[in-house]
Amino acid sequence: QKEVEQNSGPLSVPEGAIASLNCTYSDRGSQSFFWYRQYSGKSPELIMFIYSNGDKEDGRFTAQLNKASQYVSLLIRDSQPSDSATYLCAVNGLGSSASKIIFGSGTRLSIRP
Amino acid sequence: GAVVSQHPSWVICKSGTSVKIECRSLDFQATTMFWYRQFPKQSLMLMATSNEGSKATYEQGVEKDKFLINHASLTLSTLTVTSAHPEDSSFYICSAYTGDPYEQYFGPGTRLTVT
Repeated sequence: QKEVEQNSGPLSVPEGAIASLNCTYSDRGSQSFFWYRQYSGKSPELIMFIYSNGDKEDGRFTAQLNKASQYVSLLIRDSQPSDSATYLCAVNGLGSSASKIIFGSGTRLSIRP
Repeated sequence: GAVVSQHPSWVICKSGTSVKIECRSLDFQATTMFWYRQFPKQSLMLMATSNEGSKATYEQGVEKDKFLINHASLTLSTLTVTSAHPEDSSFYICSAYTGDPYEQYFGPGTRLTVT
């Protein structure tokens, strides 16, 4: 079982709608969860991190974490064409590897005008 | 915000030669730096963890004699791809870690093409 799993997509969403991206992780002891955005040919940029159960909002982005279900999601409201990118879910490692970030395979998001 | 640079941003080399990639944290000291590799349409795969003044820790399946990592200071780590082959062509990305779990900053990446 992969440590971090995402649907590869592509996920196509009309402009102005809500895009919902999902991720599951295997290590129940994971503490920190990240969403990165990566444009083609560029390195990832951090959108949000979350470490407590529930929702965390930042502008048009909302991260949701459910540790019991080992599930983390990202909602993008009022989707814009500039949101078209690959979204990477990531979790931190455990114990002595806590500084490591383990990435999922990413979900390609396409916002259609 | 914190800035991490990589040099060069892209490089083309011939098969059998070695290539050195530098990763620098410009305005902070990084206790740990990570090196990732990303093939087209795939996710980032962690290659190794680099701590200043000590040997790098390589992930399973990564050849430590082929990918030499040196972390000479708290602001500089280098990755040398030795005897490069076309299958080593990839996007190499470093990240620098400050010690705070939420503060890991990525460099812009280096695209390596081996002909």
